[in-house]
Amino acid sequence: GNSVTQMEGPVTLSEEAFLTINCTYTATGYPSLFWYVQYPGEGLQLLLKATKADDKGSNKGFEATYRKETTSFHLEKGSVQVSDSAVYFCALSDRNGNNRKLIWGLGTSLAVNP
Amino acid sequence: ETGVTQSPTHLIKTRGQQVTLRCSSQSGHNTVSWYQQALGQGPQFIFQYYREEENGRGNFPPRFSGLQFPNYSSELNVNALELDDSALYLCASSLGAGELFFGEGSRLTVL
Repeated sequence: GNSVTQMEGPVTLSEEAFLTINCTYTATGYPSLFWYVQYPGEGLQLLLKATKADDKGSNKGFEATYRKETTSFHLEKGSVQVSDSAVYFCALSDRNGNNRKLIWGLGTSLAVNP
Repeated sequence: ETGVTQSPTHLIKTRGQQVTLRCSSQSGHNTVSWYQQALGQGPQFIFQYYREEENGRGNFPPRFSGLQFPNYSSELNVNALELDDSALYLCASSLGAGELFFGEGSRLTVL
């Protein structure tokens, strides 16, 4: 079945460091791919998405490119801030007609120190 | 535009009890999905409701059941609670198979 694997955390970085969180997937067909963020005490928020191969999703300085050849959707940011401290989840959309469910990775906790 | 709201935000139950969690979907959305997120894990799909009918179910036993009402709000019911049911329960609404919008969750602790 479909699955998502993302790098284990926690990841600890200093402010302005470069961030990469790896995500690879296994899926049949052509799923959409997502990164969600969960700030402390808050619900899940969509960070960015890509719906087809070679698409690049971007938001708030974060980017991820849908790579079908490597089945990957790695999250990157050139310069992290303390406010980026959160848990990041990679997910893929498993769609069957009008039913759409997300299959999630385990999450990667990011702590950014000033 | 009103977002997805869930209630209660926190609750504590004992083994064997029953619980009902509630979700109000975002205005204009007709589909509600429920997910279970255990501590340190990613969310797991429980089921989805579309226009008051169950429209997909994950690998959860029948003691997990749900309802969707004509106004598209939804309930998640769990019977015969077990310790492993302790988790954050997330509701997400969407317009059909479109983008999911999540509530902040209901944190259930089973003692």
